[in-house]
Amino acid sequence: EPEVTQTPSHQVTQMGQEVILRCVPISNHLYFYWYRQILGQKVEFLVSFYNNEISEKSEIFDDQFSVERPDGSNFTLKIRSTKLEDSAMYFCASSAGRGGLGQFFGPGTRLTVL
Amino acid sequence: GNSVTQMEGPVTLSEEAFLTINCTYTATGYPSLFWYVQYPGEGLQLLLKATKADDKGSNKGFEATYRKETTSFHLEKGSVQVSDSAVYFCALSDQTSGSRLTFGEGTQLTVNP
Repeated sequence: EPEVTQTPSHQVTQMGQEVILRCVPISNHLYFYWYRQILGQKVEFLVSFYNNEISEKSEIFDDQFSVERPDGSNFTLKIRSTKLEDSAMYFCASSAGRGGLGQFFGPGTRLTVL
Repeated sequence: GNSVTQMEGPVTLSEEAFLTINCTYTATGYPSLFWYVQYPGEGLQLLLKATKADDKGSNKGFEATYRKETTSFHLEKGSVQVSDSAVYFCALSDQTSGSRLTFGEGTQLTVNP
């Protein structure tokens, strides 16, 4: 069964450093997403991406964040200058369409900012 | 804006007990509703969904019915197993607010043998 994969599973970085989280969505999906979950809190939407551009972003997704689909398979989230409060589990998801089709999630990357 | 509220957890049951996890929502449009499950150390897995009022989603013995009149989507299972121990998330997607998923707080379920 096709699945979304994410690397690395755990990333530790120093405050102020740049990190890139990587995702490989399901191959025939067209919509890609990033979410995050701070420990003990809800899963929060960050950004959605379709047709090689951002289609929607939340208020969390400020200028420190960027996304890219550098080739036909990878989807990346970059945080330019990490803060302590960026420590969270980051989930990538993909879907074949919008709305009721549902989104399929990867296992997550746990980001720890020291 | 949209929001999802789940019953406060955690929930602890004995094997073969009946499970209900309550979920209510607020949405500006006509949302699609989902239950996701997260097993220990894994990502979120889509468990079931419903896209319009009175639809019933079902999978692996779990069921949930889209109730527009009570804005609810409660998750039920008639007889839980130890392997059902996980965190369960209710979520909605509303096309008037794009395709984002809005999640509830999650409910930790522990099933004891």
